[in-house]
Amino acid sequence: DAMVIQNPRYQVTQFGKPVTLSCSQTLNHNVMYWYQQKSSQAPKLLFHYYDKDFNNEADTPDNFQSRRPNTSFCFLDIRSPGLGDAAMYLCATSTGTSSTNEKLFFGSGTQLSVL
Amino acid sequence: QQPVQSPQAVILREGEDAVINCSSSKALYSVHWYRQKHGEAPVFLMILLKGGEQKGHEKISASFNEKKQQSSLYLTASQLSYSGTYFCGTVNTGFQKLVFGTGTRLLVSP
Repeated sequence: DAMVIQNPRYQVTQFGKPVTLSCSQTLNHNVMYWYQQKSSQAPKLLFHYYDKDFNNEADTPDNFQSRRPNTSFCFLDIRSPGLGDAAMYLCATSTGTSSTNEKLFFGSGTQLSVL
Repeated sequence: QQPVQSPQAVILREGEDAVINCSSSKALYSVHWYRQKHGEAPVFLMILLKGGEQKGHEKISASFNEKKQQSSLYLTASQLSYSGTYFCGTVNTGFQKLVFGTGTRLLVSP
């Protein structure tokens, strides 16, 4: 089945040790998003790619970077994770053919713990 | 600006009805509704595109009042499977940017 896949499901890293989360999609969607969701909060958009065009949210810390080497894959790099970066990271996709009426397809998320 | 949802939490008995509201301080082009169960990804419910539009999904329906910049989600004859956190999502600031509301936690008990 076509879907959005995130690996790993659970990731444990040490304070300050770089970590990379991955997302792949078989939907051939143009847009890929990264959301951060902390406990009991709403998902917060970090950035998104429309094809190769990167769009960073104004309040996304510089500690967070992203790469999209091709249509299918997108990576979230956290250069120096802090305790406050522990969260669920959600990858999502959409077709990109409309600005307002597209649903998002979510992966199952990666739960990041920082020790 | 993050949309504000009310109530923050609601507890229902199976078979009861509930209404969840979503308000934005900015003009809305569309409103999305998602449900998320604990530890899982949000699941899409529906999108409303026009002021006054109403949609239904099983016993869950929604309305969109563009002038008031509000949307409401109606759950009728609630089932245990309706438990979870409901998020509205709005597109009002630019292309391809969905901003989630503050969320409403719903618990349906037997």
